[in-house]
Amino acid sequence: GAGVSQTPSNKVTEKGKYVELRCDPISGHTALYWYRQSLGQGPEFLIYFQGTGAADDSGLPNDRFFAVRPEGSVSTLKIQRTERGDSAVYLCASSLGPRQGGIDTQYFGPGTRLTVL
Amino acid sequence: AQTVTQSQPEMSVQEAETVTLSCTYDTSENNYYLFWYKQPPSRQMILVIRQEAYKQQNATENRFSVNFQKAAKSFSLKISDSQLGDTAMYFCLYNTNAGKSTFGDGTTLTVKP
Repeated sequence: GAGVSQTPSNKVTEKGKYVELRCDPISGHTALYWYRQSLGQGPEFLIYFQGTGAADDSGLPNDRFFAVRPEGSVSTLKIQRTERGDSAVYLCASSLGPRQGGIDTQYFGPGTRLTVL
Repeated sequence: AQTVTQSQPEMSVQEAETVTLSCTYDTSENNYYLFWYKQPPSRQMILVIRQEAYKQQNATENRFSVNFQKAAKSFSLKISDSQLGDTAMYFCLYNTNAGKSTFGDGTTLTVKP
């Protein structure tokens, strides 16, 4: 079956602009994660959705970052007034979601490389 | 807050040899999961192996195995019979059912012919 997909694969924008990054999770996966990965570092947690709701948004760095998942499937990460420091690869992962006796494995998309000039 | 530490930024191993990558973590939770992911230059994150904290038996997947020491909060990855295709960055991930998800900073592994 299809894996997690992310669009666009690359995005170049200018400082101060607004961007949207899209994630299509694996069908049937109720949990969805967004991460940000800078070069040579591990992915940094941004936000976790369970269904349509953001169960944990503690990783969003400031109020310029916002994410939605209105129908419990596709998610969009929105960044307002982009800054050069926002340049990174943004990764999305989905999983079946928490359930009794089961290990919840995250499956990752290929990421979106965001460059802010 | 949970922290995950991978103390070896870079490792190298000869083809067909065995290498062990270390990972330690800090948590006050009792139920959690641990994973090793591989990220080649293509940047696609690929699951290598996973472990439930409540299982004492160490997980194995073909050439990959873990040494999970819950009391010591240690979760090392052993790669046996290393292959050139194992060259990649390896990340340790801590996760709970509540969505608490923390990666280490990774170890770059180079397998030399």
